[in-house]
Amino acid sequence: DAGVIQSPRHEVTEMGQEVTLRCKPISGHNSLFWYRQTMMRGLELLIYFNNNVPIDDSGMPEDRFSAKMPNASFSTLKIQPSEPRDSAVYFCASSLGSTSGNTIYFGEGSWLTVV
Amino acid sequence: EDQVTQSPEALRLQEGESSSLNCSYTVSGLRGLFWYRQDPGKGPEFLFTLYSAGEEKEKERLKATLTKKESFLHITAPKPEDSATYLCAVQANTGTASKLTFGTGTRLQVTL
Repeated sequence: DAGVIQSPRHEVTEMGQEVTLRCKPISGHNSLFWYRQTMMRGLELLIYFNNNVPIDDSGMPEDRFSAKMPNASFSTLKIQPSEPRDSAVYFCASSLGSTSGNTIYFGEGSWLTVV
Repeated sequence: EDQVTQSPEALRLQEGESSSLNCSYTVSGLRGLFWYRQDPGKGPEFLFTLYSAGEEKEKERLKATLTKKESFLHITAPKPEDSATYLCAVQANTGTASKLTFGTGTRLQVTL
């Protein structure tokens, strides 16, 4: 089975440019998560969706960040305009929600460098 | 607010030298405690979920245990291929789509 698929794997962009990260969750999963990982802060949840609806976006740093999930098989995380401090690894993850605990599976990440 | 603290930050072991990694947590109702392994340049890979105090799970040289305040990941006779960062995370018992709150991880290096 295919896991969580993210693109691009690596992105280098100039400050001020728009960045769009893409994610395809595991088929059949109904929860999707965007995490950011840095050396200083570790893994931080940015936003998560349940059944394509944003449930908690309290981790989104500021208005420059936005996320969408137009259907069950696709999500985007957009940064506009990008800044050097946005440089990090962005992980998408998905799970099948249940009441008995739901394992979250991660993609390989999108490595973003803003210069 | 849910919190997870992992110790030590880094651990260097010789092959065959058993040890334990610690994960202390505070959470408003624990749904599950998760252990992940992360290799450089990769996403976290799921290892275990523990749901209640006293529970134990094993996989090859790894065994995870859980109490009401902490979890341990015991590594028995480690091999160099066990070198990785081990992440602990908690999931609170709030609704059906619950986020994971992660610790900062323990970087394990196993040498010959």
